[in-house]
Amino acid sequence: QVQLVESGGGVVQPGGSLRLSCVASEFTFSASGMHWVRQAPGKGLEWVAFIRYDGIKKYADSVKGRFTISRDNSDNTLYLQMNSLRSEDTAVYYCARETSISPFDPWGQGTLVTVSS
Amino acid sequence: QSVLTQPPSASGTPGQRVTISCSGSSSNIGRDSVYWYQQLPGTAPKLLIYKNNQRPSGVPDRFSGSKSGTSASLAINGLRSEDESDYYCAAWDASLSGWAFGGGTKLTVL
Repeated sequence: QVQLVESGGGVVQPGGSLRLSCVASEFTFSASGMHWVRQAPGKGLEWVAFIRYDGIKKYADSVKGRFTISRDNSDNTLYLQMNSLRSEDTAVYYCARETSISPFDPWGQGTLVTVSS
Repeated sequence: QSVLTQPPSASGTPGQRVTISCSGSSSNIGRDSVYWYQQLPGTAPKLLIYKNNQRPSGVPDRFSGSKSGTSASLAINGLRSEDESDYYCAAWDASLSGWAFGGGTKLTVL
């Protein structure tokens, strides 16, 4: 069964940095595009970033220049490096696989990032 | 303000039919497929409908999707208590060059 497990969330001060990880299993990670999607407390879903199987990247305007998505195919791991964090980045961050039928399927369980002094 | 517009709430009684709308524009729904996700309380979202009206295996046929022009709808027939959840639509937006989500609709089963 396809599984995605995020980690790396926590509390960080404004202006700080954090790196999230998403370990994938039971599918060919190296051939799959991967997304990060976030959800602020009590709010809706917001797409954050995408990395294609060949390394092509896309970002939401709200994180461009501050966040970097990357992948390590040897470890089946997706990353999100978050710099210059702001209070509005506080959210649960989900990783999700892109397939031929859906951009986001399945989703991981999420990891909470809290930006607060 | 979300690029895709959904009603914040919807409700129905068991057995009823409920529809949730998702309104967009020519840069998203008008030119590309719509996807629907269900997020049960305290859990991650789950794919419900893909490519406007297709159901993944395991999703009951009580759920159906449709699209017309720049709008889409999710219909739930024979409403059940376990359908109480948040529902989100999503589509690629060519103007943003990114994925757009609706603001989400909280469905309450009365």
